[in-house]
Amino acid sequence: GNSVTQMEGPVTLSEEAFLTINCTYTATGYPSLFWYVQYPGEGLQLLLKATKADDKGSNKGFEATYRKETTSFHLEKGSVQVSDSAVYFCALSDFQGAQKLVFGQGTRLTINP
Amino acid sequence: EAQVTQNPRYLITVTGKKLTVTCSQNMNHEYMSWYRQDPGLGLRQIYYSMNVEVTDKGDVPEGYKVSRKEKRNFPLILESPSPNQTSLYFCASSLTPPGSKSSYNEQFFGPGTRLTVL
Repeated sequence: GNSVTQMEGPVTLSEEAFLTINCTYTATGYPSLFWYVQYPGEGLQLLLKATKADDKGSNKGFEATYRKETTSFHLEKGSVQVSDSAVYFCALSDFQGAQKLVFGQGTRLTINP
Repeated sequence: EAQVTQNPRYLITVTGKKLTVTCSQNMNHEYMSWYRQDPGLGLRQIYYSMNVEVTDKGDVPEGYKVSRKEKRNFPLILESPSPNQTSLYFCASSLTPPGSKSSYNEQFFGPGTRLTVL
């Protein structure tokens, strides 16, 4: 079945460092890909999405490109801030059979000042 | 304010005592879903609903029930809770299903309900 694999966490960086969180997927067909962010004590919020190959999603300085040839959707940010500390989830939409999002296990990011 | 609300936010209960977690959205969304979040497993879908009176099982439906009598509400029912249902639960909604290629497939999540079953 469809699945999403994220890089193991937790990840700790200093403020203004470059961030990459790796995400690869296995899917049949052409799913949409998403990054969700979960701040402490809150629900998930959509950070960005891409619906077809080579699309680039971007928001709040974060970017991710839908790479069909490598089945990847890595999250990047050029200069992280303390306020970016959160748990990040990569997900894909599963439209075959059950309608749902398939999530990776999440990556906890901590940014130190 | 457009939002998904869940109640209660925190609940500690004992094995076998029936409970209901409510979920309500004010965005007139047709699609609603329940997920549970467990460490190292991400979020897994329990049940979903495409519209009023239309519900279907997700990946981990055992021990749960749902109903969708009105568009805005989608309660999660645990008839006889067990300790393995201790988890963080999220309700989500969207105008169109997450698998659709529309601009309106973004899932809006509630704040979560932390359930402990002793």
